[in-house]
Amino acid sequence: DIQMTQFPSSVSASVGDRVTITCRATETITYLAWYQQRPGKAPKLLISDTSNLQSGVPSRFSGSGSGTDFSLTISSLQPEDFATYYCQQAKSFPITFGQGTRLEIK
Amino acid sequence: EVQVVESGGGLIQRGGSLRLSCAASGFIVSSNYMSWVRQAPGKGLAWVSITYIDGTTYYADSVKGRFIISRDSSRNTLYLQLNSLRAEDTAVYYCAYTNIWPGRGTFDIWGQGTMVIVSS
Repeated sequence: DIQMTQFPSSVSASVGDRVTITCRATETITYLAWYQQRPGKAPKLLISDTSNLQSGVPSRFSGSGSGTDFSLTISSLQPEDFATYYCQQAKSFPITFGQGTRLEIK
Repeated sequence: EVQVVESGGGLIQRGGSLRLSCAASGFIVSSNYMSWVRQAPGKGLAWVSITYIDGTTYYADSVKGRFIISRDSSRNTLYLQLNSLRAEDTAVYYCAYTNIWPGRGTFDIWGQGTMVIVSS
């Protein structure tokens, strides 16, 4: 199975800050997806294919990476961005997620 | 509007069975890839199962042999039959419209989830 590890597991930041979340796979994967989950809500797809921003997702979100190392960057945090973020691979079954990164308000 | 709505969750005793439903609108379930993903209380997301357009199915090892994914074209509904339930199956179960290509895939549309609680 391909294991996905995110770091940090949690981060405190302020509105306007730039934040980067990293996701590492245990083997080379070609593409990665990122999801946002607000408390009590269903996850929402933010980015597919490593860097493809989904329709309606603000441009302050961006994704990058290759091989085993990927990242999600939020360029200027807004109040609605405080949530938990998950990475996910589908190179092979089982499809796996990272453990999540909780983004909290400082 | 493309959306999915789950139902069927509840409190069930260990060893029992339950069937979850996912009613779709705005698209045809049998013409798309569909998945179930679960989230235990306070935990992260865990993929459970997927059904392909051609009917091929895959399962996470933790549920293989106990859960069955299926669909009903006449009702445009996806199902997940949960058998031999264990305490560790307690979770919110999400249905997701899925896109799968060789080497990649995403869960594009999610329902609000349905909670399954397995009591001992």
